Amino acid sequence: GAGVSQTPSNKVTEKGKYVELRCDPISGHTALYWYRQSLGQGPEFLIYFQGTGAADDSGLPNDRFFAVRPEGSVSTLKIQRTERGDSAVYLCASSPSGDRYYEQYFGPGTRLTVT
Amino acid sequence: AQSVTQLGSHVSVSEGALVLLRCNYSSSVPPYLFWYVQYPNQGLQLLLKYTSAATLVKGINGFEAEFKKSETSFHLTKPSAHMRDAAEYFCAVSSNTGNQFYFGTGTSLTVIP
Repeated sequence: GAGVSQTPSNKVTEKGKYVELRCDPISGHTALYWYRQSLGQGPEFLIYFQGTGAADDSGLPNDRFFAVRPEGSVSTLKIQRTERGDSAVYLCASSPSGDRYYEQYFGPGTRLTVT
Repeated sequence: AQSVTQLGSHVSVSEGALVLLRCNYSSSVPPYLFWYVQYPNQGLQLLLKYTSAATLVKGINGFEAEFKKSETSFHLTKPSAHMRDAAEYFCAVSSNTGNQFYFGTGTSLTVIP
């Protein structure tokens, strides 16, 4: 079946601009995660959704970052007033409910470059 | 909070040799431990997971890992390396609530023909 997809695959934007990154999880997966992966680092947790609600947003670095999942499926990560330090690969993962809730399936990521 | 440390950001082995990638977790026993692999330009793929059912965990592609509480370790091994094993490997741990996952900084595996 289809895996997790993310669009766009690459995004170049100017400092100060607003960007939206989209994640389409695997159909039926109730949990959705956003991570940020900087060069040479492992993925860094940003936010976790269970259904439509953000169950844990403690990883969001500041109030310029916001994410939504209005219908419990597709999620959008929104970054306002982008800074050069926001440049990274943004990863999305989804996981099923029940006993396998910890099995995350990752998308290929969106590479964000802020110039 | 939980954390993992991966010793060695780069590991090189000859084709056919043993692969050993090291991971140590923070002192409290986590609910779950994982190893992921990331091939160039691809998403992370789950290799194996520890869920307290068994200390020796077998994963895909011939990899396995052993949970050792006394050493707070979860090292990844494979008896014989293949060229296709060249990739970035990440160790990860779940939070005590199981809602957050913390990744190590990764180990890049190079396989020399």
